[in-house]
Amino acid sequence: GENVEQHPSTLSVQEGDSAVIKCTYSDSASNYFPWYKQELGKRPQLIIDIRSNVGEKKDQRIAVTLNKTAKHFSLHITETQPEDSAVYFCAASMNYGGSQGNLIFGKGTKLSVKP
Amino acid sequence: EAQVTQNPRYLITVTGKKLTVTCSQNMNHEYMSWYRQDPGLGLRQIYYSMNVEVTDKGDVPEGYKVSRKEKRNFPLILESPSPNQTSLYFCASSQPTGRTTGELFFGEGSRLTVL
Repeated sequence: GENVEQHPSTLSVQEGDSAVIKCTYSDSASNYFPWYKQELGKRPQLIIDIRSNVGEKKDQRIAVTLNKTAKHFSLHITETQPEDSAVYFCAASMNYGGSQGNLIFGKGTKLSVKP
Repeated sequence: EAQVTQNPRYLITVTGKKLTVTCSQNMNHEYMSWYRQDPGLGLRQIYYSMNVEVTDKGDVPEGYKVSRKEKRNFPLILESPSPNQTSLYFCASSQPTGRTTGELFFGEGSRLTVL
């Protein structure tokens, strides 16, 4: 089945700097790659996602890039702010339907943005 | 209001005393899933369901049971809880979009302590 590796497990940046979190996946049939943010004491929430027919997607200060050949995708946060401090999870899945459509999560990255 | 509701939110119980954590969603979602979250281990999937009467094991199903008799409900059953099941549990649901699972909506979490 699919396996998702996420790095780094912790990341500390200064406010205003950029942060990059990387994930690799094992199955080339995966075609959906969402990112979730979990603030301390709260539930995870979707912040951005990308499908395999797109190489990059941006939403204000966050962007996700996908390299299908290398089977990795990354989350980029620019001009980081203290409120970006959270745990970020990447995930991957194949076509919905059957066990392969299940969403598989990485282990998470704890991002700390220092003022 | 669209939501995923878990109960109880907090529970302290003793080894061997059967318990059920309920999960209900009011969005008519097809996909539902249970996760446990432990420090440093991310979101580990317990069971998931792609539709009524269809359930499948995730990464850590041992010691848990689920059922999906109705679309809106997906209870998690611990037949004989043990201390290693002390954890934070999240239920989530989504409506498949195109050929993907779509955005996962998480409940607020249930913190379970087994003594």
